[in-house]
Amino acid sequence: KAGVTQTPRYLIKTRGQQVTLSCSPISGHRSVSWYQQTPGQGLQFLFEYFSETQRNKGNFPGRFSGRQFSNSRSEMNVSTLELGDSALYLCASSAAGGLYEQYFGPGTRLTVT
Amino acid sequence: LAKTTQPISMDSYEGQEVNITCSHNNIATNDYITWYQQFPSQGPRFIIQGYKTKVTNEVASLFIPADRKSSTLSLPRVSLSDTAVYYCLVGGDNNDMRFGAGTRLTVKP
Repeated sequence: KAGVTQTPRYLIKTRGQQVTLSCSPISGHRSVSWYQQTPGQGLQFLFEYFSETQRNKGNFPGRFSGRQFSNSRSEMNVSTLELGDSALYLCASSAAGGLYEQYFGPGTRLTVT
Repeated sequence: LAKTTQPISMDSYEGQEVNITCSHNNIATNDYITWYQQFPSQGPRFIIQGYKTKVTNEVASLFIPADRKSSTLSLPRVSLSDTAVYYCLVGGDNNDMRFGAGTRLTVKP
């Protein structure tokens, strides 16, 4: 079956703008988690959605938000972009949620100038 | 979430068995132990997950002692393509999912 897909794959934005990233999980998976990866901070957990409800949240400012739709697709929004938001944003889907067997997408490379 | 400690880096040679140990002294009763592999510019890939004793799949084995305060990922006969970062995570559902720094494994010819 198809894996996790993320769109767009690459994005260049200017400081102060906002951005929306999309993630389509594996069919049948109800959990979608988002991560930010940078060379300095490594992989950091943003939040997890399970059946349209945010179940877990990492330690990120309110500029980072997300949502999940009834078909389990998820979007992540970052408002008022800062240079430090440049990163690879990864989403992962899981049937059971939490740390149970997650499957990651290829990521969206966001560059903020 | 149980904090994990892994070696920062390891070197090996092709054809050798590699064992990466992860310490998680404050693991909770309901926590599972999960290992991921990540190549540069790609998302992590699930390798194996276990709760206790030994779990084996087509790519690795996971050894968990009775006290569950540590776990060892075993990669049999590594190849150059196994060069990657390996992450150990401990937790279950409804947990803040934190990846540590991981172990950078370098396989040499």
